[in-house]
Amino acid sequence: EAAVTQSPRNKVTVTGGNVTLSCRQTNSHNYMYWYRQDTGHGLRLIHYSYGAGNLQIGDVPDGYKATRTTQEDFFLLLELASPSQTSLYFCASSDWGNYAEQFFGPGTRLTVL
Amino acid sequence: GDSVTQTEGQVTVSESKSLIINCTYSATSIGYPNLFWYVRYPGEGLQLLLKVITAGQKGSSRGFEATYNKEATSFHLQKASVQESDSAVYYCALSRHTGGLSGKLTFGEGTQVTVIS
Repeated sequence: EAAVTQSPRNKVTVTGGNVTLSCRQTNSHNYMYWYRQDTGHGLRLIHYSYGAGNLQIGDVPDGYKATRTTQEDFFLLLELASPSQTSLYFCASSDWGNYAEQFFGPGTRLTVL
Repeated sequence: GDSVTQTEGQVTVSESKSLIINCTYSATSIGYPNLFWYVRYPGEGLQLLLKVITAGQKGSSRGFEATYNKEATSFHLQKASVQESDSAVYYCALSRHTGGLSGKLTFGEGTQVTVIS
């Protein structure tokens, strides 16, 4: 069974704080993705990667950095968190192919006060 | 760019009744997109419900069906008889046939379905 895990599951920080969200997949997938989900919006792609050391810019990248350290691990970094980044964050992984199924983690709820 | 629209943010339906969730898309690039329905149950991540990559075809899973209608640019999700366990958030999404191999998805806003007994 495909598995994507995220940590922490909940995080509260203050404006200007430094936050790292972690994602690990054990699917041996090449692609990994970071999305944010806000009320009234669908999931929006922040960054994605097709392998260790690779990073691709998504549709809403401002204020976020990401790093793919291994095939399994993908991190999302908020170096100066702002209240506008309060959101539900999902990580996903997929195999090659533009209609490959994406497997999602359970999400991290981030609150920036 | 591409976009996906789900007109209903929330739907409440009685158990054993039928359900339809509307999804339309706007694809600005040449060619037809691949279409998906994902579902998110409480406390879980999204999971694929069904996908259709050929215009005119129908996908089905767990009693749900959706037909890829390229003329109407629609991909509505239907189920004839819902159960309480179908309570979840449903997302319509598309991806592109591109020269690369990325499975980048464009999502609709999601529809929260609540099934009441």
